[in-house]
Amino acid sequence: EAAVTQSPRNKVAVTGGKVTLSCNQTNNHNNMYWYRQDTGHGLRLIHYSYGAGSTEKGDIPDGYKASRPSQENFSLILELATPSQTSVYFCASEDWGAEQYFGPGTRLTVL
Amino acid sequence: GQQVQQSPTSLVLQEGENAELQCNFSTSLNSMQWFYQRPGGSLISVFYNPSGTKQSGRLTSTTVIKERRSSLHISSSQITDSGTYLCAMEQGSGTYQRFGTGTKLQVVP
Repeated sequence: EAAVTQSPRNKVAVTGGKVTLSCNQTNNHNNMYWYRQDTGHGLRLIHYSYGAGSTEKGDIPDGYKASRPSQENFSLILELATPSQTSVYFCASEDWGAEQYFGPGTRLTVL
Repeated sequence: GQQVQQSPTSLVLQEGENAELQCNFSTSLNSMQWFYQRPGGSLISVFYNPSGTKQSGRLTSTTVIKERRSSLHISSSQITDSGTYLCAMEQGSGTYQRFGTGTKLQVVP
């Protein structure tokens, strides 16, 4: 069974602060993804990666950066958090052309 | 515009009834995946079904590429089936999945 973990699970941040969300997968999957889920918008892709050292922009990358330092780890960085970035964030991993496996999610509140 | 359309948006069933959830896509398809999500929970893969029909217990998924649709059939629904079902499609090799907005299912006694 694929294992994807996220930390923290809950985070409260202040406007203008820096937030880093972390994701780890132990399945040696090449591809990793960061989504946010909001009522009325469903799941939207922020950034993704094809492997260590690579990051690509998804559909809504503005205000977010990503970092993939290793096969296992993929981080989402909010340099200057804003209240509009309050959301639930999900990380996922997959091998090429196969199922995606999701982490448990991180609930972020920006005050 | 929205490339993945799900219907219905919400559905209430009495326990034991069957349900058919639909996912339609407007572009070519490379892969299709169905997920289940409890309120406040993560996404659990139900089916990875790029084409054809797959069955797992009371759940059956059918993807017809030519008709640009995929369906998820739930037979003899149970209260524990309640939650949101999302479909996600990948348009082509080297692209990424796009999600529908989901069908919220409630099964009542």
